[in-house]
Amino acid sequence: GESVGLHLPTLSVQEGDNSIINCAYSNSASDYFIWYKQESGKGPQFIIDIRSNMDKRQGQRVTVLLNKTVKHLSLQIAATQPGDSAVYFCAEKRIDSWGKLQFGAGTQVVVTP
Amino acid sequence: GAGVSQSPRYKVAKRGQDVALRCDPISGHVSLFWYQQALGQGPEFLTYFQNEAQLDKSGLPSDRFFAERPEGSVSTLKIQRTQQEDSAVYLCASSSKRTGVHEQYFGPGTRLTVT
Repeated sequence: GESVGLHLPTLSVQEGDNSIINCAYSNSASDYFIWYKQESGKGPQFIIDIRSNMDKRQGQRVTVLLNKTVKHLSLQIAATQPGDSAVYFCAEKRIDSWGKLQFGAGTQVVVTP
Repeated sequence: GAGVSQSPRYKVAKRGQDVALRCDPISGHVSLFWYQQALGQGPEFLTYFQNEAQLDKSGLPSDRFFAERPEGSVSTLKIQRTQQEDSAVYLCASSSKRTGVHEQYFGPGTRLTVT
C-alpha cells in the first residue's frame, strides 16, 4: 500500500532497542492525549491514552509521559520489534469537544535488524 | 471481533461527479466520526455523530460535503461535485461510552482520487 509517511520526520531504531517518539501540543484545554499507530494502507490503531491530570501511564511495552509545563508528550516503546515499524501520531481531545481529535504531524518509525 | 469497515476501499471519480462513502461502525458503538487524511499528514476531523444526531460538523470543508447516520448505525459521507482537492483518504472511527469518546477505533479508510 501507499505510505502515509512520505515527508514525515523519521526515527530509525535498531531491533531490540527502546524507541522514544516526541510530540509537542499547543492546546492547554485538552483532557485526553492519545497515541495512534498507522501502518501503510490501514487506519490509525489506538495504542494508549493519558488523562491530562496524569503524568505517566504504562501499557504493554509502551509508556506515555505527559509534561504539561512544557506541553510535551512522549511515547516510549520498549524492545522495539519489526512490527513496530509504522507512522505514530499523537492526538489530543479538547475538554469542551464532543470527541473531536486533533492529530499531530506524525513520526515515521523504521526498525532495522 | 468485527472492526470498523468502510466501502469502497478505493474510489476514482471524475471532477464534478458525486460520491458516497460508507462506514459500518463496531456494533453497539454510539459515537461515529469522519476524518480526512491527506498524504503525509495526520487525520483532520470532519464530523461527529452520537447515535443518529450529528452533534458537530465544524470540520466539513464546504457545503459540498454532507454526512448522515439515519438509524444510528451505518453512516454515509457524500461529496457533491468533487474537486481535485478532495483527493484524500476518508477515515471513519467509532467509540463506545464504556471506553470513552476519545478512544476511537478506525476503519481502513476509503482512498478517493479525483481526476
